[in-house]
Amino acid sequence: EIVLTQSPGTVSLSPGERATLSCRASQSVSSNYLAWYQQKPGQAPRLLIYGVSSRATGIPDRFSGSGSGTDFTLTISRLEPEDFAVYFCQQYDRSPMFTFGQGTKLEIK
Amino acid sequence: QVLLQESGPGLVKPSGTLSLTCAVSGGSISSTNWWSWVRQPPGKGLEWIGQIYHSGSTNYNPSLKSRVNISVDKSKNQFSLQLRSVTAADTAVYYCATELGFGVPSFDPWGQGTLVTVSS
Repeated sequence: EIVLTQSPGTVSLSPGERATLSCRASQSVSSNYLAWYQQKPGQAPRLLIYGVSSRATGIPDRFSGSGSGTDFTLTISRLEPEDFAVYFCQQYDRSPMFTFGQGTKLEIK
Repeated sequence: QVLLQESGPGLVKPSGTLSLTCAVSGGSISSTNWWSWVRQPPGKGLEWIGQIYHSGSTNYNPSLKSRVNISVDKSKNQFSLQLRSVTAADTAVYYCATELGFGVPSFDPWGQGTLVTVSS
């Protein structure tokens, strides 16, 4: 099983600042099957990024994903008030098996 | 636009069986997508439980495989989850979800989720 470790656990930033969230895999993620989700309290996760760097429908271009192999990054270029939430990364391998990172909480400073 | 809606009891007794159904609307469960269950204990992260294809083929998380069964009912356009021998550790919000598209193993859309509490 591929384990995903997200860092930091919590990050405090102000609106307008840039956020950089990390996701590290215990083994190389196959075929770039790496996705990012945003979750707000009481809501289901919302897909932001799939295939490492493709934005899902309706996701603003301030969200971007990058990386390869075992190291992946979600960047939010200029934080809006609605971006403060918990973010999860997720990978798929051909076992098949899906695993999620433990999450990064992005809070207002 | 596919919409998913979970339903089922919100309270299950320890050692009992948790049973949930996910109704699919706005699309056919016989599409090329796999259909999954994901759970989230209160205040914790996400755990994939398993998935089913409309043919009935299934894949399960090895950590839950001995207790899980996922089935599909094409006539009702829905799929279901059964989790046996539950304990308090199975208390969680249970989500159904599907893949973004064929060959794209990311989850979109999701149902709204349903909280299941295991307690006597």
